[in-house]
Amino acid sequence: AQTVTQSQPEMSVQEAETVTLSCTYDTSESDYYLFWYKQPPSRQMILVIRQEAYKQQNATENRFSVNFQKAAKSFSLKISDSQLGDAAMYFCAYRSGEVTGGGNKLTFGTGTQLKVEL
Amino acid sequence: NAGVTQTPKFRVLKTGQSMTLLCAQDMNHEYMYWYRQDPGMGLRLIHYSVGEGTTAKGEVPDGYNVSRLKKQNFLLGLESAAPSQTSVYFCASSWRTGANVLTFGAGSRLTVL
Repeated sequence: AQTVTQSQPEMSVQEAETVTLSCTYDTSESDYYLFWYKQPPSRQMILVIRQEAYKQQNATENRFSVNFQKAAKSFSLKISDSQLGDAAMYFCAYRSGEVTGGGNKLTFGTGTQLKVEL
Repeated sequence: NAGVTQTPKFRVLKTGQSMTLLCAQDMNHEYMYWYRQDPGMGLRLIHYSVGEGTTAKGEVPDGYNVSRLKKQNFLLGLESAAPSQTSVYFCASSWRTGANVLTFGAGSRLTVL
C-alpha cells in the first residue's frame, strides 16, 4: 500500500517570504499522480497543484511550484511571496495511475498547518 | 453550478443513534467517495463507488454503510453511532479516467456524545 508522509505538522512564514512544505511517499508503482490540497479555516478542500509522475518538468501554478524528485520519492511545495490568504492546512496526496476499477482514490498525508505572519 | 453538496453540515448524535449523510453532485461524475478527517491523521477513505449501484470498502469502513442508488447521490450511513465516529466527513467525486482530480464537498461535522 502507498503511504504519504508529511513530517512538518506546523510551519510559519513571514508575509512576502518563501516557504517550502515537505512531502515524501512510498510506492512501488511507476505511474502515479501527486497533489497538494489546501484547506483553509472554511474547511473546503482546494486543489493547489498537480504533478504527473511521467513528467520530468516540475508543475507550477502562479506562486506555487513543486520540486518533484521521483528517485527520492519526494514532492515538496514551494510558496513564493506568501500572503495572509495562504494560511491553511496543506495536504499532500498520492493517486495511482493505473485504472484498475478502484477509482481515483487519494491517499493523504497528515497535513502541515501553515501560518503566515505579518 | 453547485458541484458537490453535503447535508447536513453539522449534526450531534447520541451513542447508538443512527443517521445518514447525503452527498449530491451535479457534474455527472462516475466516481464518488466518502472520507473522514481527524486531527493529526489527514483524510482517510471510508467507502467509494465507481458507478451507480456499486460500492467498495476503503481504508476505514467499519461501522459505516453506503449506497449509491442514483449516479448523482452517495449516502453514508451510521447504523449505531459511536464516539469514535466523531469526525468531519467529506464527500468527493471525480471522472473515471485520466488525471482527474477529486472535487470535494464542504464537509459535515458529526459529534457523537
